[in-house]
Amino acid sequence: QKEVEQDPGPLSVPEGAIVSLNCTYSNSAFQYFMWYRQYSRKGPELLMYTYSSGNKEDGRFTAQVDKSSKYISLFIRDSQPSDSATYLCAMSLPSGGSYIPTFGRGTSLIVHP
Amino acid sequence: GAGVSQSPSNKVTEKGKDVELRCDPISGHTALYWYRQRLGQGLEFLIYFQGNSAPDKSGLPSDRFSAERTGESVSTLTIQRTQQEDSAVYLCASSLNPADTQYFGPGTRLTVL
Repeated sequence: QKEVEQDPGPLSVPEGAIVSLNCTYSNSAFQYFMWYRQYSRKGPELLMYTYSSGNKEDGRFTAQVDKSSKYISLFIRDSQPSDSATYLCAMSLPSGGSYIPTFGRGTSLIVHP
Repeated sequence: GAGVSQSPSNKVTEKGKDVELRCDPISGHTALYWYRQRLGQGLEFLIYFQGNSAPDKSGLPSDRFSAERTGESVSTLTIQRTQQEDSAVYLCASSLNPADTQYFGPGTRLTVL
C-alpha cells in the first residue's frame, strides 16, 4: 500500500460544477497537508496548505483534513475551464521530522465549457 | 522576481549516455530539492540540499544518479549511463527554509531512446 493514495482520474465536469478531489493516507504522523496544481508542462504550484485537522478556505477553494479517517479533500466551487489541471496532494511530518513531502500521483481535472 | 529555472527544458539522449540537468533556485533560498515525475505518477523525491549540510540522498534510485550544489546557488543532477526507465520529467524546487513553501521550476523533460 502506498503512503498516499489518489485517484488519477481524469475527472471531467461542466463549467460551474463543484469539484471534489480526495486523497487517503496511511501514516498517522503526517501533520502538514498541501494541495498543488500543475498545468501541463509546468511545475507544480502550491494552492492550499493546512496544518493538522480542519477546514481552510481561499476564494473558490476549500481544503479539508480529517485526521481520524486519514482523508483529505479539496473542493473547488464554480469551477472554470482555467481550473483544468492536475491536482496533487502532498503531506509531510511535523517539525523535527523530514520536511520532504510525500506526494499523491495527482488527479487530472477537466472543466469543459 | 525570478522563479526557479531549469535547463534544458527538453533533453533527448541515447541509452548509455550521461546527462546533466541544471537548476537555478530562487536567490536566498537555502533548501533545494530534486524530484522525478514519471508519466501519470506523483513526484518521487530524489535528493535534498540544505545550506552547507550534507545532502539527503535517500531518494536516489541508483548510484548512476548524483547531484551537486554550489553553496546556496546552482545545482546539477547527473545521470550516468542513462536507461530507458530514466525517461521522466525532473523537477527542481527551492524554499527559503526547510519548512517553508517549495517553489518548483518548470522541469526538464528527459527522453532516453
